[in-house]
Formats: sequence, C-alpha cells, structure tokens
Amino acid sequence: GIQVEQSPPDLILQEGANSTLRCNFSDSVNNLQWFHQNPWGQLINLFYIPSGTKQNGRLSATTVATERYSLLYISSSQTTDSGVYFCAVDNQAGTALIFGKGTTLSVSS
Amino acid sequence: DGGITQSPKYLFRKEGQNVTLSCEQNLNHDAMYWYRQDPGQGLRLIYYSQIVNDFQKGDIAEGYSVSREKKESFPLTVTSAQKNPTAFYLCASSISPQFTIYFGEGSWLTVV
Repeated sequence: GIQVEQSPPDLILQEGANSTLRCNFSDSVNNLQWFHQNPWGQLINLFYIPSGTKQNGRLSATTVATERYSLLYISSSQTTDSGVYFCAVDNQAGTALIFGKGTTLSVSS
Repeated sequence: DGGITQSPKYLFRKEGQNVTLSCEQNLNHDAMYWYRQDPGQGLRLIYYSQIVNDFQKGDIAEGYSVSREKKESFPLTVTSAQKNPTAFYLCASSISPQFTIYFGEGSWLTVV
C-alpha cells in the first residue's frame, strides 16, 4: 500500500520562529490533507491540498504531486501551534485516508 | 451545532468484555470512518463505510466490528478478540472519500 513519511518527527521552536514540515508519499494521490492535533486529542483539518498552494493566515501548504511531496509552512509560530501535525493521503482505492506518523511541534514562549 | 459526537469520552474495560463506542454525525455525510491511535503513533484505519448498510475493513480490522444501519450512526465494537485494545479511538466523516474529512473528539479506551 501507499507509504506516507513525515519529517522531522519532532520540532522545538521559540515563539515567533518559522518552520517547514514535510510529507513524502510513495504513489500518486488524488487527496492530500493536513491536520493539527491539539494536546487534548482533537484533530482539526488545516488544508485539503492534493496539488498547488493554499494559505490560511500564518499557515500555508504546497503540494507538488508530480514529485510526491507536500510542505506545510508555519510562520511566526505561537504557543497555540503546539501539537502534532499529520499529513494524510487517499489509499489506492480512493476510499479512505492513510496517515503519516506526524510531526510533534513544541513552541515555547 | 453540526458535528461529530463520540461517546463515551473515557471507557474502562475488563479483559474479556466487549465494548461499543458510539459515533453520531449530523453533517449529512455519506462516508464514515474509525481510526485507532496509539501513543506517539499516527492514525490507523479500522473500518470505513461509504454508504448505509455497507462497510469495509481497514488495515487493522481484526478484533473489531461495526454496523451502519443509519446514515448518521457508525458504532464500533471492540471485541474480546482484540488483544491490545487500549488506545485512543477517533471517528470521522466526509461527504465522500475525496472530500475534506472531519473528526470527532475521540474516545479513550483502557483495559484494566
């Protein structure tokens, strides 16, 4: 099945710093989504981005489908950005999402 | 408010017992999913359903069962055959598998 690899596994930042999270996937996809899981376990959808670039406030994402990777940019990080960021892509049947293991981000003030 | 409701939030189970986790959505979504998350790990797919009265096994379906008798409901039963059931369980839904997916707040299951 399709493999999803995220890097780095852990990231520690000072408030105000910028960061880039990467997601590599092993096969072509029609669906790619980024999620943020807060410390209480709630998963929030950040972007639906199978290709191209999108921005939402301090967050932006770019997917280069032909090269099988996606990047999530976080600018001017805040302590509330802490948590785990997941990338997920559709399985080969296109019936469900397969998740990477995530990047754990810790932002300190 | 529209959303996905999971219950209970915390559940303790004795070994050998079956337990059922509830998932209800009022988003009018056709597709629903169950994922399992272990500490420090990503989400793994247990079961999914694209329409009422139909569901498919995911990557780790052994020891679990589901039903989809109503569009808004997708309960998950963790059976005694699941050897390591202690985990965080997340229910999700979407209009269809190719659209944005939304998650409930999750249920923590602990075997005691």
